[in-house]
This record gives sequence, structure tokens and C-alpha cells, in this order.
Amino acid sequence: RKEVEQDPGPFNVPEGATVAFNCTYSNSASQSFFWYRQDCRKEPKLLMSVYSSGNEDGRFTAQLNRASQYISLLIRDSKLSDSATYLCVVIVSGSARQLTFGSGTQLTVLP
Amino acid sequence: NAGVTQTPKFQVLKTGQSMTLQCAQDMNHNSMYWYRQDPGMGLRLIYYSASEGTTDKGEVPNGYNVSRLNKREFSLRLESAAPSQTSVYFCASSVTSGSKTEQFFGPGTRLTVL
Repeated sequence: RKEVEQDPGPFNVPEGATVAFNCTYSNSASQSFFWYRQDCRKEPKLLMSVYSSGNEDGRFTAQLNRASQYISLLIRDSKLSDSATYLCVVIVSGSARQLTFGSGTQLTVLP
Repeated sequence: NAGVTQTPKFQVLKTGQSMTLQCAQDMNHNSMYWYRQDPGMGLRLIYYSASEGTTDKGEVPNGYNVSRLNKREFSLRLESAAPSQTSVYFCASSVTSGSKTEQFFGPGTRLTVL
């Protein structure tokens, strides 16, 4: 079983739609959680951290469920520019060296 | 402030050839990393360096060596390239502030081994 699992998609949604991605992690000692965004043939970039109480950044909302060991990302009012691959990232300990990436969920927003 | 830079951007090698991928960061970060990314596999850690002068193996170190030349530079060497090393290679550096760790990635090197 992979340490971090994501539905690979692809998710194809119309502009303006709301879309949600889930990610599950296997190590209960995981401490820090993030969503990264990766555009086609580009490097990953941090989208947002995921906090225990949930957090929002504009149209993006991240949630963490420690009991069920999953993280979610909700995108509201999706834009064409949201088309990308979204990577779930987990840090098992306080050391950044144990950053573990999911394989990503591909989103395409259609006009 | 260029962030993380990598050279070359593209490379084609024949099996058995050697090469070094270069990476540099100008953000004064202590930690640096090399990943490879293959379709459907996500990013896998090859080697990392927590500080100048130290390096440690990641998930997939076989066939690679690294050098942390100074705080800015972290190079990855393939001594005898194999087709299984065809991949996209990303270098990254990171900064930790409280509970938040952010990794900054270079633009990647697309390597094909024939």
C-alpha cells in the first residue's frame, strides 16, 4: 500500500463547478500536510498547508481528518487556470526529509 | 533572486554514459533534495542533504551519487546510466518555519537514456 494515495483522475469539470479531491495517508504518525500544484511539464509549487482545524484560501478549502487519515481539497467556482495536477504531501516527522508525495490528481477545467 | 536553478533542462544519454545534474539555490536554505518523477509514481526522493557537508539516501538511491559542494549547490551524478533512469529529475530546497515546511523546486531536468 502506498504511503499517500490519491485518485489519479482525471477530473474534467466545467468552469464554475465545485470539485473536491481526497487523499489518504497510511502513517498515523504523520504530522504535517500540504497540497502542491503542478502544471504540465513544470515543477510542483506549494498551494496551501493543511491545518487541523481546516483552512481556506480564497476559493480553496483544505480539511484534515486525523481519525480517518485523510486530507481533502475543495475548489469552488473553478477557473480554466485551475487546470493542473494536485499533489497531496505528508510529512511523517518534523524532518523535512520525510516529505512524501502522492502521485497526484489531474484536473481539467473545461470552458 | 532566481530561487532553485537546474542544468541542463534536457539530456539524452546512451546506456553506460555518465553525467552530472547541477542544482543551485540562492535562498540560503540548509536542506536540499533530489527527486525523480515518473508517470503514475509521484515524486520519489533519491538523496537529500540536511546541511552543507551531509548527505543521506532517500527512497531510490541506487545508481546515483550526490555532492553537497557548498550551501548553495547540490549535484546528482549518474555514473553509468540505464534506461530505467529515464525520468524527470527535480532538485528542491526547503525552509521550515514553526510547523510549516515549504519546498521550492527547480524547473526539472528531463533525462532520456537510450
